[in-house]
Amino acid sequence: DTEVTQTPKHLVMGMTNKKSLKCEQHMGHRAMYWYKQKAKKPPELMFVYSYEKLSINESVPSRFSPECPNSSLLNLHLHALQPEDSALYLCASSQGLASYEQYFGPGTRLTVT
Amino acid sequence: KNQVEQSPQSLIILEGKNCTLQCNYTVSPFSNLRWYKQDTGRGPVSLTIMTFSENTKSNGRYTATLDADTKQSSLHITASQLSDSASYICVVSAIGDRGSTLGRLYFGRGTQLTVWP
Repeated sequence: DTEVTQTPKHLVMGMTNKKSLKCEQHMGHRAMYWYKQKAKKPPELMFVYSYEKLSINESVPSRFSPECPNSSLLNLHLHALQPEDSALYLCASSQGLASYEQYFGPGTRLTVT
Repeated sequence: KNQVEQSPQSLIILEGKNCTLQCNYTVSPFSNLRWYKQDTGRGPVSLTIMTFSENTKSNGRYTATLDADTKQSSLHITASQLSDSASYICVVSAIGDRGSTLGRLYFGRGTQLTVWP
């Protein structure tokens, strides 16, 4: 199984809502990543987890809260988002930290109204 | 400053033709270089990954080259198909500080390829 899955595929939420994005992989990878991608732009790194511990937080606003409950799962909790947070949110995993090949999920298209 | 520059920004070719995409980088210390294909609204899919010692790698109709001395890479697509229409992203990984394997990924802005019938 060489697949990273993400749910939901699409999400529309209001600025006062609380929602969560989920990511799962069963490749035994120990590093997992969250990226944000705006249209026609490259992905921007948000968070990196290594061995279920947060390794990198790229100065992401606290309205985004990551969680890694186990080595296969990665969540991104969303609260009080702004319309400019609308984007494609990508999850990725790799065997180890960034020197290894990253496998991306299909993404969650988030729209904040 | 660590940067990855890709050219052209966009490219239109006819089905069956070949094309070459370029990537120049200033990332140091260099760890590896990857080419990804990304369909609109989808996650990137890895095509090739090359380390310092590799200067060419193929994946079906995709062939990537790397010149670590000039810090240039190219992705050559042969016998293009309509399904090749996508954004092709060059990503360079740096070795982390103090020799750790934690590296940063530097993304190019991508080349938008359109294949016409």
